Amino acid sequence: QVQLQESGPGLVKPSETLSLTCTVSGASISSYYWSWIRQPPGKGLEWIGYIYYSVSTNYNPSLKSRVTISADTSKSQFSLKLSSVTAADTAVYYCARPHRMGEFAFDIWGQGTMVSVSS
Amino acid sequence: EIVLTQSPATLSLSPGETATLSCRASQSVDIYLAWYQQKPGQAPRLLIYDASNRAPGIPARFSGSGSGTDFTLTISSLEPEDFAVYYCQQRRNWPPVTFGQGTRLEIK
Repeated sequence: QVQLQESGPGLVKPSETLSLTCTVSGASISSYYWSWIRQPPGKGLEWIGYIYYSVSTNYNPSLKSRVTISADTSKSQFSLKLSSVTAADTAVYYCARPHRMGEFAFDIWGQGTMVSVSS
Repeated sequence: EIVLTQSPATLSLSPGETATLSCRASQSVDIYLAWYQQKPGQAPRLLIYDASNRAPGIPARFSGSGSGTDFTLTISSLEPEDFAVYYCQQRRNWPPVTFGQGTRLEIK
């Protein structure tokens, strides 16, 4: 059974870098578009980007200049870094995996981690 | 970027009734549309992929239809646990993958 677990600071100061890690159990972090998705409080879902085969990435153009997604296969983890954060980046951040290789219908999600941006 | 518009924003129904939720795309997404259910404090749950395919373990009362720009999620004989927020999502043109703004299904 594949499980995902997000971890990282729950509070980040404005202008700093948000850093989160998704630990994967029950699967290898390859072959799928391992993704980060976020949800501001009371709002909808926003896809941030993915990592594929641990080296290939693709990002939401609206965030591309500030986002880096990387992977550590030895630890079965992939990570999100979002730089120069503002209050608008306050959200629940989810890591997720699609139900099939090469596509984006996400059937496996982490529980989500709330990140607040505040001084 | 493909914009998905869901309607209505809120739908009030009683258990046992049938819910019809709509998702309209700003340009064709072929059949590459998924539906999710989200309950408070939980991650979204995949219900339907590729417009009409139920994900494993999803009850048969959930069905999806449509292609191109107009899609429908139908929930027949509503159960108390079906009252939640529903999102559609397209994967036809990316990046980015995009989601609709959601429809809240509430108990009348």
